[in-house]
Amino acid sequence: QSALTQPASVSGTPGQSITISCTGTSSDVGGYNSVSWYQQHPGKAPKLMIYEVSNRPSGVSNRFSGSKSGNTASLTISGLQAEDEADYYCNSYTTSSTVVFGGGTKLTVL
Amino acid sequence: QVQLQESGPGLVKPSQTLSLTCTVSGGSISSGDYYWSWIRQPPGKGLEWIAYMYYSGSTYYNPSLKSRVTISVDTSKNQFSLKLGSVTAADTAVYYCAGSYSSSWYTLVYWGQGTLVTVSS
Repeated sequence: QSALTQPASVSGTPGQSITISCTGTSSDVGGYNSVSWYQQHPGKAPKLMIYEVSNRPSGVSNRFSGSKSGNTASLTISGLQAEDEADYYCNSYTTSSTVVFGGGTKLTVL
Repeated sequence: QVQLQESGPGLVKPSQTLSLTCTVSGGSISSGDYYWSWIRQPPGKGLEWIAYMYYSGSTYYNPSLKSRVTISVDTSKNQFSLKLGSVTAADTAVYYCAGSYSSSWYTLVYWGQGTLVTVSS
């Protein structure tokens, strides 16, 4: 199974909005509403930020939102804050009953 | 609140078997409410899903690792385990255990802190 495709890096200034894409195929992202997004700060375990494309777990800021169109899912962070600087990963269920992750995106808050 | 903690050797020799255990607290591993997964992250690289299992013994493996991986559960200790055979330097990584709700097993809700395993002679 091939990893989902994410941009290696994105950046923004405080208060801006940024979007991170996650592109797969009809066998994973496009075939199911099962995309999740995870935030990972250096040296820490990943934290679930969005599940099933657009749902936020309790406690996650509403500045984080998710969407999907075709084989590409997106994570949008609005009102960017310094604490949002981290690595972000998407993952998806696949037709093989497995899970595949994206390569990760490093978000820099300038 | 479910909490997970990985444990096991931090150094494994090439060609040997890597063995890790994840201890679950705050929830019963055999309740049927959760699925349990292993994920790894080589230094400076991205996340790679290894396998997941249900308490009943149903297991699913990453095809690229399937021939070398075994995961199992010990309900009496509320633990689940990972064994990865014939390791090489490429298996050096931080290994995470994670838990998901059975209604959405692919959504990794709970994570352990991770444990670094280095493969070196």
